[in-house]
Amino acid sequence: GAGVSQSPRYKVAKRGQDVALRCDPISGHVSLFWYQQALGQGPEFLTYFQNEAQLDKSGLPSDRFFAERPEGSVSTLKIQRTQQEDSAVYLCASSSPSQGDYGYTFGSGTRLTVV
Amino acid sequence: GESVGLHLPTLSVQEGDNSIINCAYSNSASDYFIWYKQESGKGPQFIIDIRSNMDKRQGQRVTVLLNKTVKHLSLQIAATQPGDSAVYFCAENMDTGRRALTFGSGTRLQVQP
Repeated sequence: GAGVSQSPRYKVAKRGQDVALRCDPISGHVSLFWYQQALGQGPEFLTYFQNEAQLDKSGLPSDRFFAERPEGSVSTLKIQRTQQEDSAVYLCASSSPSQGDYGYTFGSGTRLTVV
Repeated sequence: GESVGLHLPTLSVQEGDNSIINCAYSNSASDYFIWYKQESGKGPQFIIDIRSNMDKRQGQRVTVLLNKTVKHLSLQIAATQPGDSAVYFCAENMDTGRRALTFGSGTRLQVQP
């Protein structure tokens, strides 16, 4: 497709469950980013991939958060043993070299609610 | 649709008026700044960017002003339209060696018809 696609659009998880959030970047985009957006706040950086290499994971809040991009295209953000504070919108973004270092295109996000 | 921010500062303007949204950024070493627009239920959408070696940049109906002395960024929208209603975020690259952006807390713009 023409944009960044994220699925599911909404996810409700019981506390303690594991979840997996998927991101399909724009075809050919080398760089992929995950951000977390709590209600009423700006997005916060989680992690960054260049192709299949995870070059920056400094924003992952705990070892319960894990991201992968094994073939340099689709990426999955996994959260283990979800907690209520994990409730947020998880945004994926991708970019191509022609967009510069910060020219992201964001997807619409996955809203995760932990109950 | 879902709200992107329930307790954000809000700027209310009349359709056709000019809007000015302000942002105080954090790091004097940041060299790149972006304004994003986020509509309810959608991801942030790029509006305009500016590098630290500039103090003004213009796009279509939008102008970004950068004042490095006081670490202030503003977004001016000319002839504001109902479709401009959204939450607006400024973002900066606080660590120029990394690809991560640091976003501000956002301002909600409401355009009254």
